[in-house]
Amino acid sequence: NAGVTQTPKFQVLKTGQSMTLQCAQDMNHEYMSWYRQDPGMGLRLIHYSVGAGITDQGEVPNGYNVSRSTTEDFPLRLLSAAPSQTSVYFCASSYISGSSYNEQFFGPGTRLTVL
Amino acid sequence: AQSVTQPDIHITVSEGASLELRCNYSYGATPYLFWYVQSPGQGLQLLLKYFSGDTLVQGIKGFEAEFKRSQSSFNLRKPSVHWSDAAEYFCAVADVFGNEKLTFGTGTRLTIIP
Repeated sequence: NAGVTQTPKFQVLKTGQSMTLQCAQDMNHEYMSWYRQDPGMGLRLIHYSVGAGITDQGEVPNGYNVSRSTTEDFPLRLLSAAPSQTSVYFCASSYISGSSYNEQFFGPGTRLTVL
Repeated sequence: AQSVTQPDIHITVSEGASLELRCNYSYGATPYLFWYVQSPGQGLQLLLKYFSGDTLVQGIKGFEAEFKRSQSSFNLRKPSVHWSDAAEYFCAVADVFGNEKLTFGTGTRLTIIP
């Protein structure tokens, strides 16, 4: 298993440009999520999904869109990049099993710079 | 809403010395608690987790953590650190009611000196 993969690893954008950060997992996990990591702020949840066709907002969703057309993929879209979106982005996935909690597996991250 | 506080932004420890990283949480019931480690330029790796039962939990790489309900704490410990332990450490909490969302602390950067 490749686990959770993210592409690209690095990206530089100009203000106003759009792009999509890709995330894929091969573990048949129902739950997938996107976090951003900023210095001194830890990881903050952007959007998450509990299955194909179901997405919801996290703590910091503004400026980001997501969709979940398949179990495997959960892309994150920046429609009009802003310097405030300069960050490291992590994708994570896990099973969902009723009342218990399942470990989330994290991808290696995408470092995004918006000029 | 749940929250996590890691009061130490940066800790420096000599190689071979003991380590304790602090974590306090705010939650209405007993939460699910986690410690993750992030090496430079890498993703997050789970060190250990607490769901219920024994309040002292063992993890990978020789780490352990103790859940103290009375203090709302989940401190991470290691009796003797190695240079390879230099990394950033994150404490996190999850909702026990089947919600997979994690809330992270701001992290503690650990530096190891020879």
